Amino acid sequence: QSVLTQPPSVSAAPGQKVTISCSGSSSNIGNNYVSWYQQLPGTAPKLLIYDNNKRPSGIPDRFSGSKSGTSATLVITGLQTGDEADYYCGTWDSGLSVVLFGGGTKLTVL
Amino acid sequence: EVQLVESGGGLVQPGGSLRLSCAASGFTFNNYEMNWVRQAPGKGLEWVSYISSGGSTRYYADSVKGRFTISRDNAKNSLYLQMNSLRAEDTAIYYCARGGSGWYWGQGTLVIVSS
Repeated sequence: QSVLTQPPSVSAAPGQKVTISCSGSSSNIGNNYVSWYQQLPGTAPKLLIYDNNKRPSGIPDRFSGSKSGTSATLVITGLQTGDEADYYCGTWDSGLSVVLFGGGTKLTVL
Repeated sequence: EVQLVESGGGLVQPGGSLRLSCAASGFTFNNYEMNWVRQAPGKGLEWVSYISSGGSTRYYADSVKGRFTISRDNAKNSLYLQMNSLRAEDTAIYYCARGGSGWYWGQGTLVIVSS
């Protein structure tokens, strides 16, 4: 069981919006930046969001991130079938001196 | 373009050892902290180890502490993971990842621990 809690799965229709949550504590999300990663089937994870809400170049603005207190959220709008993937949040835990990942959320675009 | 290429994976017996390597290019390697992350078949991401840009600070997950050693050679733009006393539960794809604000990942190398 991961210290960072994500819903195991979410689903929505093409064109719709989906929200993926990541819940932690004051020692991790509460006091450190959160990143989000997309892992398409059979591939390595890819950076989507860093420093809570920043997008690397090449990532469309359909993907956005936010953080409030000890929780973070990834929002994907205008869903496409190509967005079907596993999504992970990640952050540093200052108390444990470890990197934490959420358990992952499988997105299905119906 | 950031490139990270892992190598050294393979089949090893329980109790055996393996050394993974990660060749970095496309960025100033000695400016960045680095990490190893693994993913068991069908499972999520599990962070394994961290090393600072100069190599003086290292952290490990409890699951590998005392068995795995992370190191780097900044002159060769390379990251390493020495894995000893391997167990079946260490079977996974091992990724090297560039740290800092948002990580960039290699394609991974598969380690299978089995008799």
